Amino acid sequence: DTEVTQTPKHLVMGMTNKKSLKCEQHMGHRAMYWYKQKAKKPPELMFVYSYEKLSINESVPSRFSPECPNSSLLNLHLHALQPEDSALYLCASSRSEGAANEKLFFGSGTQLSVL
Amino acid sequence: AQSVTQPDIHITVSEGASLELRCNYSYGATPYLFWYVQSPGQGLQLLLKYFSGDTLVQGIKGFEAEFKRSQSSFNLRKPSVHWSDAAEYFCAVGARYGNKLVFGAGTILRVKS
Repeated sequence: DTEVTQTPKHLVMGMTNKKSLKCEQHMGHRAMYWYKQKAKKPPELMFVYSYEKLSINESVPSRFSPECPNSSLLNLHLHALQPEDSALYLCASSRSEGAANEKLFFGSGTQLSVL
Repeated sequence: AQSVTQPDIHITVSEGASLELRCNYSYGATPYLFWYVQSPGQGLQLLLKYFSGDTLVQGIKGFEAEFKRSQSSFNLRKPSVHWSDAAEYFCAVGARYGNKLVFGAGTILRVKS
């Protein structure tokens, strides 16, 4: 199994809603990532979890709250988002963190629209 | 901090023609270099990577890239493009210490028949 699975594939939410994005991998990878990709832009790193601990937070607003319940799962909890948060949210994993030569395995993303 | 520039936003090539996508990086030492491909609405797939050694790197789907230190470049090439290669291509650079990967702005490849 070399897949990173993200659910849902599409999500529409209002600015007062609370929702969660889910990411799962069963490759035994110990690092997991959240990236945000606006239309026609490159992916931008949001968070990195290494061995289930948050190791990088790229100054992301608190309305995005990551959670890593175990080594296979990564969640992104969303609350009080703004329309400018509409984007494709990509999850990725790698064998370990600490070496930038790791290959990243990406999920197909959740396309989020905030109304 | 590292950075990467992809000068071409769009490139159109005819099917069967050769392809070269440009990538220039900025980093104080030899970086880790990657090319990823993304189809619309999908995640990214690694095509190839360079860490050290042979400067000509072979990847999947018939792609190759050449690391040129003197030019701070890592251009992606394919001798004969197929219609299925139409996608967006991202060059990325990683620092030798730490795990932040920085992506270029991407190049959209269109293939005409």
